[in-house]
Amino acid sequence: GAGVSQSPRYKVAKRGQDVALRCDPISGHVSLFWYQQALGQGPEFLTYFQNEAQLDKSGLPSDRFFAERPEGSVSTLKIQRTQQEDSAVYLCASSSWTGNVEAFFGQGTRLTVV
Amino acid sequence: DQQVKQNSPSLSVQEGRISILNCDYTNSMFDYFLWYKKYPAEGPTFLISISSIKDKNEDGRFTVFLNKSAKHLSLHIVPSQPGDSAVYFCAANFGNEKLTFGTGTRLTIIP
Repeated sequence: GAGVSQSPRYKVAKRGQDVALRCDPISGHVSLFWYQQALGQGPEFLTYFQNEAQLDKSGLPSDRFFAERPEGSVSTLKIQRTQQEDSAVYLCASSSWTGNVEAFFGQGTRLTVV
Repeated sequence: DQQVKQNSPSLSVQEGRISILNCDYTNSMFDYFLWYKKYPAEGPTFLISISSIKDKNEDGRFTVFLNKSAKHLSLHIVPSQPGDSAVYFCAANFGNEKLTFGTGTRLTIIP
């Protein structure tokens, strides 16, 4: 596809369950970002990859959150032992070159923890 | 600590008039600013940006103004059209790749 694709679009998880959210960036894009958007808030930075290297994970809220991009394309954000405060929209974005912050966003995955 | 603030949660403007969306920031290290537009159930879409070395950037109906001394930027849309109805996020960056976003302003254009 031409844009950033995220799956699933919606995920309901029981508290304590592990979830995995997938991001397919635009082909050839070097940089990949994950953001978390709580209801009524702006997106908040979670982590950043340049190719397969995770260069910044300062925004990950706890060690329950883990992201990977093993081959420098598709990325997965994993949340272990989900809690209610993890309920949010998780947005993935990619950009074509390092240092370009004008990133293209996917539609997001809405995670609801019950 | 909200480093980027959009103090107006919502704004309604008559079609054809000018829409002005405001954004304030507290971190003087920010040197690049962006506006994103978001429709329901879609991800944010990049709209326009400005570097701190400029005070104005224009792209068609959209103009962004930056006042560094006041740590304030604004987005002007003229003339406003119904398709401009969306949530607008201001974002800022300095020296790295991550963006700091405001909380957004919902713009409604009244036909």
